[in-house]
Amino acid sequence: AQSVTQPDIHITVSEGASLELRCNYSYGATPYLFWYVQSPGQGLQLLLKYFSGDTLVQGIKGFEAEFKRSQSSFNLRKPSVHWSDAAEYFCAAVSPLPFQGAQKLVFGQGTRLTINP
Amino acid sequence: GAVVSQHPSRVICKSGTSVKIECRSLDFQATTMFWYRQFPKQSLMLMATSNEGSKATYEQGVEKDKFLINHASLTLSTLTVTSAHPEDSSFYICSARARTGTGGQRVPSSYNEQFFGPGTRLTVL
Repeated sequence: AQSVTQPDIHITVSEGASLELRCNYSYGATPYLFWYVQSPGQGLQLLLKYFSGDTLVQGIKGFEAEFKRSQSSFNLRKPSVHWSDAAEYFCAAVSPLPFQGAQKLVFGQGTRLTINP
Repeated sequence: GAVVSQHPSRVICKSGTSVKIECRSLDFQATTMFWYRQFPKQSLMLMATSNEGSKATYEQGVEKDKFLINHASLTLSTLTVTSAHPEDSSFYICSARARTGTGGQRVPSSYNEQFFGPGTRLTVL
């Protein structure tokens, strides 16, 4: 079955420290991959996405993610976090095959990021 | 561009009443809209896929008579929670799918990007 796993439910980092949020996927074919951020009581904002090609993807707000086929991973990184980065982060995937899943996004469980001052 | 709105943002209702939530694509046409439900501190669970002019496709375990979905136009889909009960209290999020450019990144022809609404908080007393 198609699935997305975020192993870390909650991560706390200090402001200014680097960040890496983990995401693993299980799909028959390499899916399209996404990272979203959700502030409390808000909808989802797309940070970045990967379809193919360059495995290092740049996104908004200084985030980047690296696709590693060998590890079935798409980890999100930021070199220096800001207090405003505190939020819930979701990794998501879509099958690249049009007839599979009607392009339904499958979300990971989410990782809550807390920033210490 | 590609803005999706939801109305209302918050609603409180009594048990047994029905509540309608609207999802609108403001500056694009969406042939497909998705409805998600999110419990506190949990991920988004897809409830149904709504296609303009046809019946919605519900995910396994979602009661179609409980959660009525109508996608009457290319810019509007509605979710009606009928005879709401406290266990229906949740955060409901819609998304709309559009064919757009991605600022220089090549988009596969098989993919249409989804844009999310801000969500609706439903509380059933």
